[in-house]
Amino acid sequence: EDKVVQSPLSLVVHEGDTVTLNCSYEVTNFRSLLWYKQEKKAPTFLFMLTSSGIEKKSGRLSSILDKKELFSILNITATQTGDSAIYLCAVTSGSARQLTFGSGTQLTVLP
Amino acid sequence: EAQVTQNPRYLITVTGKKLTVTCSQNMNHEYMSWYRQDPGLGLRQIYYSMNVEVTDKGDVPEGYKVSRKEKRNFPLILESPSPNQTSLYFCASSRTGSYGYTFGSGTRLTVV
Repeated sequence: EDKVVQSPLSLVVHEGDTVTLNCSYEVTNFRSLLWYKQEKKAPTFLFMLTSSGIEKKSGRLSSILDKKELFSILNITATQTGDSAIYLCAVTSGSARQLTFGSGTQLTVLP
Repeated sequence: EAQVTQNPRYLITVTGKKLTVTCSQNMNHEYMSWYRQDPGLGLRQIYYSMNVEVTDKGDVPEGYKVSRKEKRNFPLILESPSPNQTSLYFCASSRTGSYGYTFGSGTRLTVV
């Protein structure tokens, strides 16, 4: 059974701090790893990673995938209160492109 | 605007009363999925569809049905809802299934 595990489950930091969120996975026939941000509504897409070692970057957020060790990290630098959200990691696998989510990391950024 | 539209946004119903949650996308995406989100359990896939008339079970299909008669629509049907189906439901679509999925705004369902 495909499995995606995120850590930590929750994190409280102060504005300006840098955070690292972790995602490890065990899936059959890996296709891609996706990061989403969920505030009080639907998840919104952040990154898709398919190749090992290539960093994806968008402003203060960046992510990298290690296909050998089966994990990914999401970094957020100079955090702001608007970064407070649940961050979800998901993996697509198999020919049918099934999507398996981790349980998420609840990030709270205090002013 | 490219989007996935779910209706209704909120629904309270009674045990055993059949209901349908609609989902429509305007991006000509082939892949569509339904998820439920429960505290501590993350998003779990209920059913997915790779194209018209092609559907398959996800991780938690019991008590749900879907159909994909047209590319844009993927309704979720609860024939006999029970209280353990109280949850937040999301529909999502994707061009290829490996690329990022676009999510609908969610349907909060309460079964009493």
